[in-house]
Amino acid sequence: SQTIHQWPATLVQPVGSPLSLECTVEGTSNPNLYWYRQAAGRGLQLLFYSVGIGQISSEVPQNLSASRPQDRQFILSSKKLLLSDSGFYLCAWSNGPQETQYFGPGTRLLVL
Amino acid sequence: QKEVEQNSGPLSVPEGAIASLNCTYSDRGSQSFFWYRQYSGKSPELIMFIYSNGDKEDGRFTAQLNKASQYVSLLIRDSQPSDSATYLCAVKTGRRALTFGSGTRLQVQP
Repeated sequence: SQTIHQWPATLVQPVGSPLSLECTVEGTSNPNLYWYRQAAGRGLQLLFYSVGIGQISSEVPQNLSASRPQDRQFILSSKKLLLSDSGFYLCAWSNGPQETQYFGPGTRLLVL
Repeated sequence: QKEVEQNSGPLSVPEGAIASLNCTYSDRGSQSFFWYRQYSGKSPELIMFIYSNGDKEDGRFTAQLNKASQYVSLLIRDSQPSDSATYLCAVKTGRRALTFGSGTRLQVQP
């Protein structure tokens, strides 16, 4: 069966510091991968998605970036965090004709 | 107009009742529709998906799709306090990633 991992689970970072969040998927090959952010009490905002290694589509302009160095690894990064980057970061994968998305456990980021 | 709209709630129902959650979407070309449940502080988990007009049942859950009215709903029969959560509607259109509504918070009163 497929599983998706995210780490770290929680993170507290000062403004201006760098960020690296990692997501890995097991049990499937060539998945589509997604990064979402969910602000407190809000809906899901799609940040990036990837259909293959090195292929990244950005949905919103921001100070975040994403990379896919391996088929089942998706990384979200920032060189300098802003207060507004605080939120719940969710990685998801999909595969198959309906492209049902399955979410990882998430990383809760607090920027102070 | 938002692409996927849901009433934010909270929707409050007594234990054992039927909870009805609604979602409308703007793009007539949308082809697949998903319902996710999200407990507070947790990630969304898939309940079910539907892509044909009509009803689809899975246990206590029934998804209903009406493409002519651009409307999808989720019925939860015999609601339990453990069903209290936020329910997210998501829509797939073309080759784009899923578009999510902002969710409806459901409270099941014991």
